[in-house]
Amino acid sequence: SQQGEEDPQALSIQEGENATMNCSYKTSINNLQWYRQNSGRGLVHLILIRSNEREKHSGRLRVTLDTSKKSSSLLITASRAADTASYFCATGGVGQGAQKLVFGQGTRLTINP
Amino acid sequence: DAGVIQSPRHEVTEMGQEVTLRCKPISGHNSLFWYRQTMMRGLELLIYFNNNVPIDDSGMPEDRFSAKMPNASFSTLKIQPSEPRDSAVYFCASSLGTNTGELFFGEGSRLTVL
Repeated sequence: SQQGEEDPQALSIQEGENATMNCSYKTSINNLQWYRQNSGRGLVHLILIRSNEREKHSGRLRVTLDTSKKSSSLLITASRAADTASYFCATGGVGQGAQKLVFGQGTRLTINP
Repeated sequence: DAGVIQSPRHEVTEMGQEVTLRCKPISGHNSLFWYRQTMMRGLELLIYFNNNVPIDDSGMPEDRFSAKMPNASFSTLKIQPSEPRDSAVYFCASSLGTNTGELFFGEGSRLTVL
């Protein structure tokens, strides 16, 4: 299975601190995406990084991808209470599997005011 | 613009009853996905469609589950008969259909089978 595994499962930090979440996967990928899910809501796409990219930024988000280690990290800088949510990585396979996004179990992030 | 619309948002039913979940994708999106989310198994892809045609239904748990997409603006996921282990949040998502497209999720249908 190419399912991603997030680490840690839960993270609690103070507002203003940086939050780092990691994702590992097992098979070759076309792209890796990060999503956020607020409690009781649907998932919202945050950022996509392709297999030939190593780093990508979007606002306070920074994503890295290391295909040799089959791992990715999501960094949220200067965290805010509104960042409290679960964060999931999702991998798209190669070829016809690219559309089949496989999600990890998620990291539950709590930002304490 | 309206996002992905799912109904019902909550459904409570008794074991053995038929359940139908509905989804309206974002207009112009060519791909539609059904996912199921539980605490134990996380998010599982059940089935996805491209241009209304089922492409991969390998995630459908068993014959009690069926999904249809009669046109570009509507899809259903049916469970018949329902069982308590089907209790979960069912998400519909749509995308533009490119190989690396982001998914746009609905708010989900929370199903409880008693």
